[in-house]
Amino acid sequence: SAVISQKPSRDICQRGTSLTIQCQVDSQVTMMFWYRQQPGQSLTLIATANQGSEATYESGFVIDKFPISRPNLTFSTLTVSNMSPEDSSIYLCSVYPGTSGWNEQFFGPGTRLTVL
Amino acid sequence: GENVEQHPSTLSVQEGDSAVIKCTYSDSASNYFPWYKQELGKRPQLIIDIRSNVGEKKDQRIAVTLNKTAKHFSLHITETQPEDSAVYFCAAYFNDYKLSFGAGTTVTVRA
Repeated sequence: SAVISQKPSRDICQRGTSLTIQCQVDSQVTMMFWYRQQPGQSLTLIATANQGSEATYESGFVIDKFPISRPNLTFSTLTVSNMSPEDSSIYLCSVYPGTSGWNEQFFGPGTRLTVL
Repeated sequence: GENVEQHPSTLSVQEGDSAVIKCTYSDSASNYFPWYKQELGKRPQLIIDIRSNVGEKKDQRIAVTLNKTAKHFSLHITETQPEDSAVYFCAAYFNDYKLSFGAGTTVTVRA
């Protein structure tokens, strides 16, 4: 499986500020996604990070709040903008390698964000 | 998008007993159903998955069954051990490999 890293692993931020989370994969992957996991909850898909084009957002998530970049096939960033305490969550990137002929999707270690 | 329901929300079993978690999905076009295990403070880890062209898959003590007609699938853990204690999530693909997750089941294995 792909080796996925995220930076930072955790952060504490003030409301009104922005944080950019990085996701790095050790090999080229077909698809990259960003998920949010609120405390004690399940995972919710924020968006699909498209290489070389604008991300595709799910219902309830917008580009102005969660701008995403994917400059190449191994790297993506998610920015949480104008943060409020409600944004306190774990943010995880996931990848679909697309090379094995199967459908496995793997997760990064997550970024634990606390907004004060 | 896909709607995935998962039951029960919590499950406590005696060590050595079996645990069963059930999920239903809404999109009949879904064709891939993974199960993830998430230990406290860790990332979700894929433990087993099943594609829509098979009805059952087994890997040592864990197995997954799929009933496409009824749109439900289940995770079975046999001979449970303390290290099986975790939160388990079922999921289903919708629209280009996007995953929709169930609400999760907290499994506690009592020694």
